[in-house]
Amino acid sequence: DTAVSQTPKYLVTQMGNDKSIKCEQNLGHDTMYWYKQDSKKFLKIMFSYNNKELIINETVPNRFSPKSPDKAHLNLHINSLELGDSAVYFCASSHLGLAGEGQETQYFGPGTRLLVL
Amino acid sequence: GQNIDQPTEMTATEGAIVQINCTYQTSGFNGLFWYQQHAGEAPTFLSYNVLDGLEEKGRFSSFLSRSKGYSYLLLKELQMKDSASYLCAVRDSGGYQKVTFGTGTKLQVIP
Repeated sequence: DTAVSQTPKYLVTQMGNDKSIKCEQNLGHDTMYWYKQDSKKFLKIMFSYNNKELIINETVPNRFSPKSPDKAHLNLHINSLELGDSAVYFCASSHLGLAGEGQETQYFGPGTRLLVL
Repeated sequence: GQNIDQPTEMTATEGAIVQINCTYQTSGFNGLFWYQQHAGEAPTFLSYNVLDGLEEKGRFSSFLSRSKGYSYLLLKELQMKDSASYLCAVRDSGGYQKVTFGTGTKLQVIP
């Protein structure tokens, strides 16, 4: 069974378009994340939701808007796509325990490879 | 914030031992993770350290010294399949415990 799944796996689109990426987890976790991994393989946090509430919002352009309809889903909508948005976007999930309680290991989805032309 | 440093690339021979270092400067610390990422795939969890010392898990071990802001991942009996990027990640001690990843060390195992 897939633990963290993302759709689509590949996304090729033109500059200026609007696109969405979807993520679902069946691990029963309460926290989900979006990461961007650029061509240099640097994995950078973008957003995090805990129980549908936005808890981490890094310096990301307003064109990126996450939405969490429930604990198991976290979607990412991107408006007016730019060339620099080309990257691999990873969704992840974990259980956010009290600080110091357990590992809260993050489990990653397979990634969505976005190419903006 | 967090600042994490790792070597960009390393090469080692099949059957050998390799140590991948990670140093960090943090405003708060609540644990350090190592992840493995094969080319074109997602990162997968390898190890977690929150207390000083060595954690051993099969061929992989991870060490932490909080006072020195230093960790290493030790891979023994290297296999070709160990060729991958190894990401060091630090969790902060704030309420939401954000995890910050280093840039990763690309390990190439050669025959």
